[in-house]
Amino acid sequence: DADVTQTPRNRITKTGKRIMLECSQTKGHDRMYWYRQDPGLGLRLIYYSFDVKDINKGEISDGYSVSRQAQAKFSLSLESAIPNQTALYFCATSEGDQPQHFGDGTRLSIL
Amino acid sequence: QKEVEQNSGPLSVPEGAIASLNCTYSDRGSQSFFWYRQYSGKSPELIMFIYSNGDKEDGRFTAQLNKASQYVSLLIRDSQPSDSATYLCAVPPGGTSYGKLTFGQGTILTVHP
Repeated sequence: DADVTQTPRNRITKTGKRIMLECSQTKGHDRMYWYRQDPGLGLRLIYYSFDVKDINKGEISDGYSVSRQAQAKFSLSLESAIPNQTALYFCATSEGDQPQHFGDGTRLSIL
Repeated sequence: QKEVEQNSGPLSVPEGAIASLNCTYSDRGSQSFFWYRQYSGKSPELIMFIYSNGDKEDGRFTAQLNKASQYVSLLIRDSQPSDSATYLCAVPPGGTSYGKLTFGQGTILTVHP
């Protein structure tokens, strides 16, 4: 089983819908992150959490919200999806300042 | 100027050659540097990281830091077709936790037989 699991793996939805992407980990790491990846732009940080009670905005948080339900779970929500949020989304985890490890990604298309 | 910049390529090298990938960064206070490999349609995979105190070699991979010119290089010796992927450089801002990584846009490497 994967250490960092993202669900769903693929999602197609319509403009204005509320979307939730989920991430769970079995690595026991304290830190979790959400990134989006667009062609030619690399990975950009949306939100990050250093523990259950700590949530921080990243580079591109507008239009997104997150919830750290437990140490092992970190979900990303799009309250009202718009087409320019079409992207590949990655969840990552790390133990303290150690390198980050990524989930397999969620491909999200908003029509 | 972007905080972390890479030549997007594509960089094409013949099998067996040395592939050289570069990454420039803007924050002089950055203390650590990460290289990830990403195959098409897959997630980034950490292949190497170095600190500001020196270079590092791991098998066919060598990471080198030039602090004066603010760039970090990844050398891949004896390149194989299986090395064909996008290579992402990531740098945390100086003086902060490694958590806030800033990624370059990635360099596409193609190793042809």
